[in-house]
Amino acid sequence: GDKVKQSPSALSLQEGTNSALRCNFSIAATTVQWFLQNPRGSLINLFYLVPGTKENGRLKSTFNSKESYSTLHIRDAQLEDSGTYFCAAEAKGGNYKPTFGKGTSLVVHP
Amino acid sequence: EAAVTQSPRNKVAVTGGKVTLSCNQTNNHNNMYWYRQDTGHGLRLIHYSYGAGSTEKGDIPDGYKASRPSQENFSLILELATPSQTSVYFCASGDAGGYTEVFFGKGTRLTVV
Repeated sequence: GDKVKQSPSALSLQEGTNSALRCNFSIAATTVQWFLQNPRGSLINLFYLVPGTKENGRLKSTFNSKESYSTLHIRDAQLEDSGTYFCAAEAKGGNYKPTFGKGTSLVVHP
Repeated sequence: EAAVTQSPRNKVAVTGGKVTLSCNQTNNHNNMYWYRQDTGHGLRLIHYSYGAGSTEKGDIPDGYKASRPSQENFSLILELATPSQTSVYFCASGDAGGYTEVFFGKGTRLTVV
């Protein structure tokens, strides 16, 4: 099975609304990264987390290593938030090679 | 901000030909990675490296070789390209201080015909 499972796989939001994306891990994740792949295909770093919470503007992310999940909250969604969101986890003893989920495709519409 | 540069950005290759994808990073990171991205699979690790002279197999190494001649450069080599290797390839780099935030290049779109 997938070591990093993202949900939902696809999401449609109206501009101005809030939502949450989730990653569940079947590995002993020690760090988590969240990326946004924009429509041009570039992977943009959003957050790098050890267990805890970080916030940046309208985005907030939490990593709970004991319960093996991470969330990305989007507040007041904007059109430019559209794209595919990936999480990647690095596992204890994993030799520093992040494992990716399959992504959440987000479309924000007016 | 980490800088990872991939070349070429687009490549069309013939079946059975040799393809080399290049990656350069200017941040003195120890670790470098090659991933491929396909619809429905996310990013999958092909090869990675801990430093000059080192290459390690990732999760899907078959049909690929890697070379790390220096701290800055990491190449992915397809000796005999096949249509199943048509994909978008991403290079990334990260430091090895116990926790590794990785930074990606813009990707190379490879089509094998």
